[in-house]
Amino acid sequence: AQSVTQPDIHITVSEGASLELRCNYSYGATPYLFWYVQSPGQGLQLLLKYFSGDTLVQGIKGFEAEFKRSQSSFNLRKPSVHWSDAAEYFCAVVYIQGAQKLVFGQGTRLTINP
Amino acid sequence: NAGVMQNPRHLVRRRGQEARLRCSPMKGHSHVYWYRQLPEEGLKFMVYLQKENIIDESGMPKERFSAEFPKEGPSILRIQQVVRGDSAAYFCASSPPSMNEQFFGPGTRLTVL
Repeated sequence: AQSVTQPDIHITVSEGASLELRCNYSYGATPYLFWYVQSPGQGLQLLLKYFSGDTLVQGIKGFEAEFKRSQSSFNLRKPSVHWSDAAEYFCAVVYIQGAQKLVFGQGTRLTINP
Repeated sequence: NAGVMQNPRHLVRRRGQEARLRCSPMKGHSHVYWYRQLPEEGLKFMVYLQKENIIDESGMPKERFSAEFPKEGPSILRIQQVVRGDSAAYFCASSPPSMNEQFFGPGTRLTVL
């Protein structure tokens, strides 16, 4: 079955520290890959996306993600986090061969220590 | 260009009542998707609609749930005879044709008493 795994349910980092959130997907072919951020009580905002081409993708708010086909991964990174980055982060994929629906991971809650 | 609009933002219903959730897609977007987010979980796909057509309803519960996207007006997600387990945040997303990126609304938070 098509699935997306975010192994870390909750991560705490100090302000100014680097961040990496993990995402793995299960599928033979390359899907379209997304990272969304959700602040409490809010909708989802797209951080970045990968469709094809350069495997290192730059997004908004200083985030980047790297697609690694050999590992079926699309990890999100930020060199230095800010207190305002505290939120829930969701990795999602669209499997090209299927319907146009997003399959989401369970999410990673990010807490920032001052 | 206004974003995806959803109303109401919060909806409280008693068990057995009906819930109607509305979604107005972004201008120029003819594809609408509904997702449900249960507490402490990720979003789960429910249904994908184009104007007057249901394209994929593989995520919709078999009973009590229905969705439509009429030629005119917003998309409606309807839940009949709500139960406590329906309490969740319901998100709508829209996209233009031939585009894989979906734009999300702020969600409707349904509470069933």
